[in-house]
Amino acid sequence: ELKVEQNPLFLSMQEGKNYTIYCNYSTTSDRLYWYRQDPGKSLESLFVLLSNGAVKQEGRLMASLDTKARLSTLHITAAVHDLSATYFCAGPQTSYDKVIFGPGTSLSVIP
Amino acid sequence: NAGVTQTPKFQVLKTGQSMTLQCAQDMNHEYMSWYRQDPGMGLRLIHYSVGAGITDQGEVPNGYNVSRSTTEDFPLRLLSAAPSQTSVYFCASSLRQGAHNEQFFGPGTRLTVL
Repeated sequence: ELKVEQNPLFLSMQEGKNYTIYCNYSTTSDRLYWYRQDPGKSLESLFVLLSNGAVKQEGRLMASLDTKARLSTLHITAAVHDLSATYFCAGPQTSYDKVIFGPGTSLSVIP
Repeated sequence: NAGVTQTPKFQVLKTGQSMTLQCAQDMNHEYMSWYRQDPGMGLRLIHYSVGAGITDQGEVPNGYNVSRSTTEDFPLRLLSAAPSQTSVYFCASSLRQGAHNEQFFGPGTRLTVL
């Protein structure tokens, strides 16, 4: 069974700073998803990483995937308050029928 | 397109009552799923469906039933509600699982079981 872990679970950072959220998963997978959830809201898709070495960027967020290390990272550059949210990574089981989520990283960007 | 819709938005039940959470999508997606979200636990998969007439269990299926008679609808039934089922429930869909598609989530149903 796939297990997905995230580190850290809680992150408070100052505006303008850089930081990285880590997502480790337990079994072989060639794809990884990142989602964002604002407080009291639903989830929205941020990135779909489809192969080893994949890198995607959107604004101040950049995600990468290393399938050999079973690791994905979400890098935040020059954080702004609008990035405050909970970020989830998720991966498919081998059969690709089940998508398993990590526990989420709650990010708070403070002035 | 309305996307993924869920009803009701809020519900309070007494222990032992039954109810159905409704989920519908108008994007002609093959794959649909139900998750529950509890504080500190992330999202846990309850049931999923890869197409009309096909359903399977996720990580935490006990106490829940599903059916998929049409592509559009994927209701979740609680047979006899328990306080442990107090949670926020999200329905999601994607074009097809196994392809390069992210899931689209509904707005959620906040359920309290007394």
